[in-house]
Amino acid sequence: GESVGLHLPTLSVQEGDNSIINCAYSNSASDYFIWYKQESGKGPQFIIDIRSNMDKRQGQRVTVLLNKTVKHLSLQIAATQPGDSAVYFCAENYSGNQFYFGTGTSLTVIP
Amino acid sequence: DAGVIQSPRHEVTEMGQEVTLRCKPISGHDYLFWYRQTMMRGLELLIYFNNNVPIDDSGMPEDRFSAKMPNASFSTLKIQPSEPRDSAVYFCASSLYLGTLYGYTFGSGTRLTVV
Repeated sequence: GESVGLHLPTLSVQEGDNSIINCAYSNSASDYFIWYKQESGKGPQFIIDIRSNMDKRQGQRVTVLLNKTVKHLSLQIAATQPGDSAVYFCAENYSGNQFYFGTGTSLTVIP
Repeated sequence: DAGVIQSPRHEVTEMGQEVTLRCKPISGHDYLFWYRQTMMRGLELLIYFNNNVPIDDSGMPEDRFSAKMPNASFSTLKIQPSEPRDSAVYFCASSLYLGTLYGYTFGSGTRLTVV
């Protein structure tokens, strides 16, 4: 399978600060990416997605950046809140095949 | 729709016992996935079904693991005999397509502890 890895396994941020979670992917042909959020005791949930024909996509307080040159994906969370504490996964997809998931980054928000 | 429903939420069993995990996918979803999650290996795909037929079981660790989908609304993952290294959270997910928009919908998982 493809390799999808995260740079940082854990991240702690102060409430109100911005968070940046990174992800590296190995398949340069991947054309669709998703960020998932997994809260304690729950399954992963969709946050935001981006296609390979875009460099940036914004949602509510979240922004995903895609750098195809270096095969890097990042998730930015603005004004991080305690409710953002969770594990965040990136997932990549090539041409409608199955998704491959990264190992996850644990985000802890310090009140 | 209530989403993907898994049972039980927690399972503690002794080594050597049989364990059966259950999943009810979202109605109308043609794909069903079983994942295992551990701290060391993250989310691992064990097997997935399309229209109740197993398509890729290359992620199933060994013969002790088996999965079935007798109908469109029910799937089981069985471990027999269970071992301590099987301790993990097992997720079921479903989707309309394999590489679907917005990804897969996951259940809340079954936390399995084998002692």
